[in-house]
Amino acid sequence: EVHLVESGGGLVQPGGSLRLSCAASGFSFSNYEMNWVRQAPGKGLEWISFISGSDDGGDETVYYADSVKGRFTISRDNAMQSLFLQMDSLRVDDTSVYYCARERAEGEIDYWGQGTLVTVSS
Amino acid sequence: AIRMTQSPSSLSASAGDRVTITCRASQDIIRSLAWFQQEPGKAPKLLMFGASTLERGVPSRFSGSGSGTDFTLTINSLQSEDFATYYCQQYYTYPRTFGQGTKVDIK
Repeated sequence: EVHLVESGGGLVQPGGSLRLSCAASGFSFSNYEMNWVRQAPGKGLEWISFISGSDDGGDETVYYADSVKGRFTISRDNAMQSLFLQMDSLRVDDTSVYYCARERAEGEIDYWGQGTLVTVSS
Repeated sequence: AIRMTQSPSSLSASAGDRVTITCRASQDIIRSLAWFQQEPGKAPKLLMFGASTLERGVPSRFSGSGSGTDFTLTINSLQSEDFATYYCQQYYTYPRTFGQGTKVDIK
């Protein structure tokens, strides 16, 4: 059974940093592309980042939403079956539940973690 | 970025009703559209992909249609567990974008 478990959320001051992790199990992690999607309290879903799957050891392809480009960095460790999101220069409007999500070959997201809450506040 | 516009933003319905939610893309996305259901406090759940293909395990009262820029999610004979918020999402290109959501609540 596919499981995605996020961790690393918490309270951080504006301008601070946080690193989120997503532990994957139940599938061959390296073969799948992965995403981060967030949801501000009471608001809708916002896609924020993508990373490609294993590609014969070559460079991974990454994409970011404009709202986080230059501040957030997505990465993965296939040996550890883990996905990461390094978040720097955090702002109050980054306050959200952050979900990691698996993407199938055709592009649709099929599995989501339970989410981890990041609160940016002074 | 492709803008996804859902309508209505919310609706009230009774169990047994037929409900239709529409999603419009700001440019042609062929059929690269997914629908998600989200219950309060839970992660979204994939209902439909490829605009009209039902995800495994999703009840057949859910159906999807459309291509290009206009898409529809229909729920036939609404059940109590269907009261939730529904989102469309295009996966034609990056950045991926979601509609703003449609909340279906009990009349």
